[in-house]
Amino acid sequence: QSALTQPPSASGSPGQSVTISCTGTSSDVGGYKSVSWYQQHPGKAPKLMIYEVYKRPSGVPDRFSGSKSGNTASLTVSGLQAEDEADYYCSSYAGTYVFGTGTKVTVL
Amino acid sequence: QVQLQESGPGLVKPSHTLSLTCTVSGGSISSGGYYWSWIRQHPGKGLEWIAYIYFSGTTYYNPSLKNRVTMSVDTSKNQFSLKLNSVTAADTAVYYCARGDDYDNYLDCWGRGTLVTVSS
Repeated sequence: QSALTQPPSASGSPGQSVTISCTGTSSDVGGYKSVSWYQQHPGKAPKLMIYEVYKRPSGVPDRFSGSKSGNTASLTVSGLQAEDEADYYCSSYAGTYVFGTGTKVTVL
Repeated sequence: QVQLQESGPGLVKPSHTLSLTCTVSGGSISSGGYYWSWIRQHPGKGLEWIAYIYFSGTTYYNPSLKNRVTMSVDTSKNQFSLKLNSVTAADTAVYYCARGDDYDNYLDCWGRGTLVTVSS
């Protein structure tokens, strides 16, 4: 059960878009629809941002969107805002959970 | 609105057992459609899923921790618990409890986390 691969960092200026990738295998990301994304600010608990690849929980801005192609899922944050600066983790469920390595998003 | 709160010792000696409890408020742990999970985060590192349990007591463990982990649930107290035995410094982490959705399989509600340090 290896961690899913994410880029260590990503950045963009306010108003721009940033996309984070999450690469797994056909045994996790590629084989199941249960891909979710979590936002974590320093010292805080993770917060669910996307579930089932592209669905947003109530209260999450529509600036956050998710997609998947093959064994890679992606999270896009459009119209970057200062409060979007955080760590982001993907997760895949295939009977058990596996998380991604995490991506630090910086708003320039 | 469901809230989760972790509790337990913040310091555990090496080779001893780490014991944590998560108290659920604002909803019943016996509600259908959910399971209850533990996740940890080593200092400055990423998230690691540990285990989850249904209110019936059925459990699922991370294969890498399976030999040392036990989860249990107490529906009368609306609590679930984690025990991790034979701890080492490598088990020092922030431990989170969370609720999992059984239909779409995501973790939608998290506790604030509790730091457990393994040290003599």
